[in-house]
Amino acid sequence: AQRVTQPEKLLSVFKGAPVELKCNYSYSGSPELFWYVQYSRQRLQLLLRHISRESIKGFTADLNKGETSFHLKKPFAQEEDSAMYYCALRNTGFQKLVFGTGTRLLVSP
Amino acid sequence: GAVVSQHPSRVICKSGTSVKIECRSLDFQATTMFWYRQFPKQSLMLMATSNEGSKATYEQGVEKDKFLINHASLTLSTLTVTSAHPEDSSFYICSATSRGPREHTEAFFGQGTRLTVV
Repeated sequence: AQRVTQPEKLLSVFKGAPVELKCNYSYSGSPELFWYVQYSRQRLQLLLRHISRESIKGFTADLNKGETSFHLKKPFAQEEDSAMYYCALRNTGFQKLVFGTGTRLLVSP
Repeated sequence: GAVVSQHPSRVICKSGTSVKIECRSLDFQATTMFWYRQFPKQSLMLMATSNEGSKATYEQGVEKDKFLINHASLTLSTLTVTSAHPEDSSFYICSATSRGPREHTEAFFGQGTRLTVV
């Protein structure tokens, strides 16, 4: 079965500190991995996806198939990064997304 | 990015009544729409997947007769909670994927509907 695990419910850091939001998945095939972000009072939106190998707002995420992980990283956190972050998995060829339970990132000044 | 609009954003209804929630893709054609339910401080739980013109596919444990989904056009899907009870109170979110040339289609989310059954 497909499963996405985000072990941290809350991650609190100071501005300028490095951030790593953990995501592990279980899936037997070749999944697509995503990070979604939800800022306060806003809708869920795509932050980045593993196939793009891009950096968005300073965030990067590398798919590690050996460790079945897709951790989200940013070297220097900003206050505006405070939000709820969801890791999600999609079966290649299908459209259904499976979400993790989310991690709330709080960046303090 | 593309816009998905949900209506209403909040609704309060009496126990036993039915409530309809609309999900519209405003500037693209959505071949597939998804309905999620989110409990407080929990993840999004997929309820069903609907493709335009065909019956929705429900996830295990989701009552088809209670949560009626209609996807009559490429821009509109509706979720009707029938005979609502207080335990149906939740945050309902829809998302839609576009029919586009890209191999990997992005899912766009609505702003959600807060349903409270009293």
